[in-house]
Amino acid sequence: EAGVAQSPRYKIIEKRQSVAFWCNPISGHATLYWYQQILGQGPKLLIQFQNNGVVDDSQLPKDRFSAERLKGVDSTLKIQPAKLEDSAVYLCASSLDRQDTQYFGPGTRLTVL
Amino acid sequence: QKEVEQDPGPLSVPEGAIVSLNCTYSNSAFQYFMWYRQYSRKGPELLMYTYSSGNKEDGRFTAQVDKSSKYISLFIRDSQPSDSATYLCAMISAGGTSYGKLTFGQGTILTVHP
Repeated sequence: EAGVAQSPRYKIIEKRQSVAFWCNPISGHATLYWYQQILGQGPKLLIQFQNNGVVDDSQLPKDRFSAERLKGVDSTLKIQPAKLEDSAVYLCASSLDRQDTQYFGPGTRLTVL
Repeated sequence: QKEVEQDPGPLSVPEGAIVSLNCTYSNSAFQYFMWYRQYSRKGPELLMYTYSSGNKEDGRFTAQVDKSSKYISLFIRDSQPSDSATYLCAMISAGGTSYGKLTFGQGTILTVHP
């Protein structure tokens, strides 16, 4: 079974630039999550999708972050404009349903200069 | 106060040692408890999952939950160099708007040296 795929793996940008991350969840998984993991900290949930609907985006900085999950499969997370404090690893995870085991992708390491 | 507090470490132990990793939590709504292992430059992977107080064993790993004290632990017996990783405790609420939301501890970096 293929795991969660993410791209790119690494990205370096200047502050105030925009960036987008892509996630392809495990086939058949209804729930998709985006987490932000700052160095030395545990992952923090940014947004949770159930199929193509948002169920929790309470910790998403909506003035600069946006996310969508087209057709309930792939998802993109965008940051515009980026700030220095956005430097982190962005992890995508998926699960069969909301209470099921979450499987994580390898993450995208973002550096904002 | 953070909802989940994890002993920060780092921990460095010799091969064969018993390792104890610990977390405390403040939210009584947490009902499901997990331990994830994260190797460098990889995503977290589920190691242990439990929802009741008591012990759960899986090979060299034992997860312990004490809901009355809001305390969970992971024990690793006969630790191996391949166990070197960051260990993250995580918890899920039983319901409400946070249904399915994982809340993580900050992680403990473990190094097992030969």
